[in-house]
Amino acid sequence: GENVEQHPSTLSVQEGDSAVIKCTYSDSASNYFPWYKQELGKGPQLIIDIRSNVGEKKDQRIAVTLNKTAKHFSLHITETQPEDSAVYFCAASKGPVPGRRALTFGSGTRLQVQP
Amino acid sequence: EPEVTQTPSHQVTQMGQEVILRCVPISNHLYFYWYRQILGQKVEFLVSFYNNEISEKSEIFDDQFSVERPDGSNFTLKIRSTKLEDSAMYFCASSYIATNEKLFFGSGTQLSVL
Repeated sequence: GENVEQHPSTLSVQEGDSAVIKCTYSDSASNYFPWYKQELGKGPQLIIDIRSNVGEKKDQRIAVTLNKTAKHFSLHITETQPEDSAVYFCAASKGPVPGRRALTFGSGTRLQVQP
Repeated sequence: EPEVTQTPSHQVTQMGQEVILRCVPISNHLYFYWYRQILGQKVEFLVSFYNNEISEKSEIFDDQFSVERPDGSNFTLKIRSTKLEDSAMYFCASSYIATNEKLFFGSGTQLSVL
């Protein structure tokens, strides 16, 4: 089955700096790669996603890049703010084939933005 | 903004007891999921559900687990005879259509099996 590795497990940055979180996946059939943010006491919330036919996607201060050949994708957060502090999860799936919509998650990165 | 609602937020049970975790997915969503996260570990897929039947399940989802959509709004996960290793945060999620994997997660139920 799919295996998603995520690094680093913890990341501390100064407010205003950039943060980069990296993930690799094992199954070349995976074609959908979302990123989730989990704040304390809440469920994961989708912040950005990318499909395998796209190399990069940006939404304000957040961007995701995908390298299909190397089977890795990264989350980039620019101009970090204290409210960006949370646990971030990458995930991969082979959707949208019916019955193959399960997400395989990475182990999470705890991002701490120091004011 | 519509959200997935899970109850209870915490559940404590004795080993061997049955538990039912409840979820109210977003109202126009058609696909429903359960995931779990054991403390310090990855979020793991348990089961997906569409059109009143299971569409996919993981090896974790054995005969002790079952899911049901008893009415038009609730989606439940039942664990028949809980084990210590079932202690985890259980997340319900829903999505609108098959070609859209944008999952919306609830806040979770923390299950503690003693």
